[in-house]
Amino acid sequence: GAVVSQHPSRVICKSGTSVKIECRSLDFQATTMFWYRQFPKQSLMLMATSNEGSKATYEQGVEKDKFLINHASLTLSTLTVTSAHPEDSSFYICSAGKPNTEAFFGQGTRLTVV
Amino acid sequence: QKEVEQDPGPLSVPEGAIVSLNCTYSNSAFQYFMWYRQYSRKGPELLMYTYSSGNKEDGRFTAQVDKSSKYISLFIRDSQPSDSATYLCATRETGGYQKVTFGTGTKLQVIP
Repeated sequence: GAVVSQHPSRVICKSGTSVKIECRSLDFQATTMFWYRQFPKQSLMLMATSNEGSKATYEQGVEKDKFLINHASLTLSTLTVTSAHPEDSSFYICSAGKPNTEAFFGQGTRLTVV
Repeated sequence: QKEVEQDPGPLSVPEGAIVSLNCTYSNSAFQYFMWYRQYSRKGPELLMYTYSSGNKEDGRFTAQVDKSSKYISLFIRDSQPSDSATYLCATRETGGYQKVTFGTGTKLQVIP
């Protein structure tokens, strides 16, 4: 199956700083990628749809100024958590897939804001 | 009402048992149905992927979709301790890059 790589797998940052998470499709071009957030013992919640060459589409309730998404190439999307606060601590996961096929997920990034 | 409903469990079974995991969904437009396995602190791993109604078998895993009742199932035969994980059902509409909608996940524990 297709491979999606996410980096870093874990990050600890101080409150008020920004953190960038990368999501790469390794063996296919992904014009669309998705960013999810997962709190402990809860399911994945879609945050935004990342579109190559255009603005991301955010789900209701997700602050676009806080969660900056950049999809600069067909194989890379980045999520930047700006001015992070402890309540932003979560597991962030990206996914990508070819049209009309299954979605593949990255390994996830566990963000801890202290 | 959530678009995809899944019993969160936890579900504990003895090794070798047949496991049945189930989800219901409400959106008739859903055409693709997936099961993912997620180990603690890891990203979801695709287990099964089906389109529309029917059965699909892969080794010890069988996925069933009944669109008339909007019911999807995953069966695990001869369950192993290594199957202990959270299993997420997921669906999406057809066409392009439609977003995936997940169930809450069922935590499974297979006891040796």
